[in-house]
Amino acid sequence: DIVMTQSPDSLAVSLGERATINCKSSQSLLHSSNNKNYLAWYQQKPGHPPKLLIYWASTRHSGVPERFSGSGSGTDFTLTISSLQADDVALYYCHQYYNTPRTFGPGTTVDIK
Amino acid sequence: EVELVESGGGLVQPGGSLRLSCAASRISFSDYWMSWVRQAPGKGLEWVANIDQGGSEQYYADSVTGRFSISRDNAKKFLYLQMNRLRVEDTAVYYCTREKIQDEAPGGFDSWGQGILVTVSS
Repeated sequence: DIVMTQSPDSLAVSLGERATINCKSSQSLLHSSNNKNYLAWYQQKPGHPPKLLIYWASTRHSGVPERFSGSGSGTDFTLTISSLQADDVALYYCHQYYNTPRTFGPGTTVDIK
Repeated sequence: EVELVESGGGLVQPGGSLRLSCAASRISFSDYWMSWVRQAPGKGLEWVANIDQGGSEQYYADSVTGRFSISRDNAKKFLYLQMNRLRVEDTAVYYCTREKIQDEAPGGFDSWGQGILVTVSS
């Protein structure tokens, strides 16, 4: 199974500042057939299901604000919130769909400093 | 917008069974792989099982293999999860999800139901 790790476990950032979350996979998520990384990022708020933010490591899902961006390739990935808004307080998960079983990172809590 | 609505959850004793259903609307249901993902209280996300578009391929997490069975009815646009020999550790909110497809490549889970709580307790 592909193991997903995230760092930090939690972070607090001032409004308008940058928030950065790291995700590492135990094996490469780069699919040789199409040169895409099978890595997604989700945002989850209490009492609600997760929402897809980013797929293929760096493609923003429809309707997701431009302040959310994803980067990285292979085994190391990053989610960046360029200018933190109050509405961004949430849990963030990375997820690999390169193979089965699908696996998720443990999550990173983002809060306001 | 795609709508996924789960039902069938509740309280069950250890060793018991439950069948979850997920009704899909505003979706070309038969075009997509579907999954169940669960979240124990206060914990992270755990993928449980998925099924291909036609229902002929199913895959399971090790933790549920041999106890859970995923199936679908494309004509009715329903996804199911039959859960047998339930354990206390199966207590969780269960989400029905759709796997995004774009340019013939998967793209994560782009649609989620609101979730249904399953509690396994004596």
